[in-house]
Amino acid sequence: AQKITQTQPGMFVQEKEAVTLDCTYDTSDQSYGLFWYKQPSSGEMIFLIYQGSYDEQNATEGRYSLNFQKARKSANLVISASQLGDSAMYFCAMRGYALEGAGGTSYGKLTFGQGTILTVHP
Amino acid sequence: NAGVTQTPKFQVLKTGQSMTLQCAQDMNHEYMSWYRQDPGMGLRLIHYSVGAGITDQGEVPNGYNVSRSTTEDFPLRLLSAAPSQTSVYFCASSHTGGFNQPQHFGDGTRLSIL
Repeated sequence: AQKITQTQPGMFVQEKEAVTLDCTYDTSDQSYGLFWYKQPSSGEMIFLIYQGSYDEQNATEGRYSLNFQKARKSANLVISASQLGDSAMYFCAMRGYALEGAGGTSYGKLTFGQGTILTVHP
Repeated sequence: NAGVTQTPKFQVLKTGQSMTLQCAQDMNHEYMSWYRQDPGMGLRLIHYSVGAGITDQGEVPNGYNVSRSTTEDFPLRLLSAAPSQTSVYFCASSHTGGFNQPQHFGDGTRLSIL
């Protein structure tokens, strides 16, 4: 079974500052992917960044970077130079390894954490 | 780039009614899925499909039906709506179900069952 834990229900940051959103995970899979999604108040789910379990370097996408510490099973999202438009709910998610056609209820499933609401103050 | 398109965006139903939530993607993705998002429970997988003609149950399939006649379309049917199915429904797609494939989501359908 896979589990994602986001321990920060809400975070506040000043505009132009950096913020770290925490994510820890638990899985018995050797191969897995970690993802971050942004959900603004309008409701859509926006894919931000991906980190593979075998990737040696931390992923970066513009102002987003993923601080991946495999031994600690953590995949924290770092947003640099926060903007007012970054205010949203952020979800950490995991996709594990499963054989296609093996049946079960979990092939390709994304397991989500409970989310962190980020508020950026001007 | 349309990506994943869901219709309708909002819907109110009476208990016992049936309806179909539509989902279409134009990225030629093989894997498509439906999630529901409820407060305090995160997103939960309802059904998924690994290609045209192939569907399987997720973790909360009861009360829902799906089909996949084309690569592009993956409709979700509520057979007899119940208040417990009030939720926000998301359709998502990816190239495959592999662990290194990000899923891309539609804008969601907000469904209320009275």
